[in-house]
Amino acid sequence: GQQVMQIPQYQHVQEGEDFTTYCNSSTTLSNIQWYKQRPGGHPVFLIQLVKSGEVKKQKRLTFQFGEAKKNSSLHITATQTTDVGTYFCAGPSGTYKYIFGTGTRLKVLA
Amino acid sequence: DADVTQTPRNRITKTGKRIMLECSQTKGHDRMYWYRQDPGLGLRLIYYSFDVKDINKGEISDGYSVSRQAQAKFSLSLESAIPNQTALYFCATSSREHNEQFFNEQFFGPGTRLTVL
Repeated sequence: GQQVMQIPQYQHVQEGEDFTTYCNSSTTLSNIQWYKQRPGGHPVFLIQLVKSGEVKKQKRLTFQFGEAKKNSSLHITATQTTDVGTYFCAGPSGTYKYIFGTGTRLKVLA
Repeated sequence: DADVTQTPRNRITKTGKRIMLECSQTKGHDRMYWYRQDPGLGLRLIYYSFDVKDINKGEISDGYSVSRQAQAKFSLSLESAIPNQTALYFCATSSREHNEQFFNEQFFGPGTRLTVL
C-alpha cells in the first residue's frame, strides 16, 4: 500500500543551526501538506504545496515539492527554541483522506 | 483549536472494557476523522466520515467502531479494549474540498490519551 516516510526520525540541533526534514512517498502525490505538533499538543497545519517543483516560504521555513511530486522537504533556517516539535508531512490517499508521514521530532538545544 | 473538542482528555481503563471517545466541532465542517498516534509511527487513520450518512474505514479500523450522531459529533468506540490500543487519539475535521486537486487543511482536537492496562 501507499507509504509516506520521513527522515530523520529525530534531530537535535544547536539553536541557530539549520534543520531539514525530508518526506518521501511511494506514489505520486497531487499535493502535500505539512503540519507541526508542539510537545504535548496537537498537529497544526502549516502549508500545502500543489505544483511540481513548488517552493514556498514562511519566514524562516522553506517548503519544497519535488519535480516528480513524490518527495518534499521542510527547511528551517537558524532554528529557535520555538521550533521544537514534531513535523509531519501528509499526502492524499484515495478519496479525500490523507496518509501522514512518520514525523521528524526536532529538539533545539539553547 | 477550541473549535474541535475531545472528551475525555485522559483515560485509563482495563483490558476488556468498552470505551467511547467523543469529538465535537463548532467549525461546521462536513468531514471528520479519527487518528491514533504512536511513537515512531506518525498518525494513522482509523475511521473517517464525510457526512452523517457516510462512514468509512481507515488504515487500522480493526477493534474500533464509530458513530456520526450529527454533523458536529463523531464518536470512536473500543468495544473490548486491549493493551496495544494504548495511544494518543486525535479527532480532526476539514471542510468540503474545492476540487480534487485542492484538499483543505485538517483541524485537530487536543487529543485523548488512552491507557489500557
